[in-house]
Amino acid sequence: SQQGEEDPQALSIQEGENATMNCSYKTSINNLQWYRQNSGRGLVHLILIRSNEREKHSGRLRVTLDTSKKSSSLLITASRAADTASYFCALNRDSNYKLTFGKGTLLTVNP
Amino acid sequence: DADVTQTPRNRITKTGKRIMLECSQTKGHDRMYWYRQDPGLGLRLIYYSFDVKDINKGEISDGYSVSRQAQAKFSLSLESAIPNQTALYFCATSGRRVIAGSTDTQYFGPGTRLTVL
Repeated sequence: SQQGEEDPQALSIQEGENATMNCSYKTSINNLQWYRQNSGRGLVHLILIRSNEREKHSGRLRVTLDTSKKSSSLLITASRAADTASYFCALNRDSNYKLTFGKGTLLTVNP
Repeated sequence: DADVTQTPRNRITKTGKRIMLECSQTKGHDRMYWYRQDPGLGLRLIYYSFDVKDINKGEISDGYSVSRQAQAKFSLSLESAIPNQTALYFCATSGRRVIAGSTDTQYFGPGTRLTVL
């Protein structure tokens, strides 16, 4: 498969807890991006990490990338009910701007 | 994202009908994309365009065609709709490459929910 695979498929936590989602892939990449989708709506970009980067932060988000293991993780700290959404990793495999999306992780944050 | 609009937002049609989905953007981006989303399958790329004269097939282009009428407009057509084209369709845009070896993020429209009976 050329797409990333998110794990777990679904995650349910309590407000205030941290949420960790993982993305594994099989091909080399230029960069990896994470997107959020609220139910039935368009995707919103969260963060981009390049192949030569190991960690990036954006607010309550922390993304890591291990190119030797071909995996990435998205950590959301101090989760809120508003974080309830599906989260997708997207791979940019070459220099042609295309992205290949995984099937997503459905995160539910219970108040 | 209000900068990328899609019309219609919902459409119910019958097998065999021709359908056009439209996408407009005010972001000034060169690149535009059409995806479909099916439950449990994530997003799959149908067509993409890097400028008005450059249109490329994605991974699932059969049964679809596109038209890039202007930099800001990219339409997707289903020439003869069939039930397995029932899905959520998204348009997305991205800007010019500014750093070698990287790609810009994509900005998505709100989606069109298409049902083919």
